[in-house]
Amino acid sequence: DAKTTQPPSMDCAEGRAANLPCNHSTISGNEYVYWYRQIHSQGPQYIIHGLKNNETNEMASLIITEDRKSSTLILPHATLRDTAVYYCPGPGDSWGKLQFGAGTQVVVTP
Amino acid sequence: DGGITQSPKYLFRKEGQNVTLSCEQNLNHDAMYWYRQDPGQGLRLIYYSQIVNDFQKGDIAEGYSVSREKKESFPLTVTSAQKNPTAFYLCASSIGLGSYEQYFGPGTRLTVT
Repeated sequence: DAKTTQPPSMDCAEGRAANLPCNHSTISGNEYVYWYRQIHSQGPQYIIHGLKNNETNEMASLIITEDRKSSTLILPHATLRDTAVYYCPGPGDSWGKLQFGAGTQVVVTP
Repeated sequence: DGGITQSPKYLFRKEGQNVTLSCEQNLNHDAMYWYRQDPGQGLRLIYYSQIVNDFQKGDIAEGYSVSREKKESFPLTVTSAQKNPTAFYLCASSIGLGSYEQYFGPGTRLTVT
């Protein structure tokens, strides 16, 4: 399994950028980096994914290091509604499976 | 509205009873998944299905069973053999098994006493 590691928690002030790191040093060359988030007591929500290049969508930006050993999810202007657990799951032991760790609890404060 | 529905949102059962959790999707997705989540932990894969009438065990399949008779539906039965059934259960779907972009339902919180 390609394992990922994330800090357990992070605080962010409303309106500021939140930079969420993920270490995936064992990822293989053709495995994508994915990010999800889970607001309390709801199902996870897909945010973004990438392979080598940086990616941006309406929710966030994804920066992947050149060696692909780590990535950073950027929430450019955090709002209170961004308070959630953020996951960067690694690919599981077979095709199509995701391996979710404990994620990073992000709390956005006023 | 396209999406995944799970019902009910809360479910209470007595120990020793089997219980079936519903999952329906109208996204025309081929692949569907069941996960279990315990407090403060990540998701663990129970079962997944790539196509109708086919499914595979995930990491923690013991004490659970599934069926996939229709593309839209992937019910999960929690049997009395599951030692610690109280948990938050999440259903997801994706276009195909090769896609890691999964869409999740709202979840069912099962409490067994």
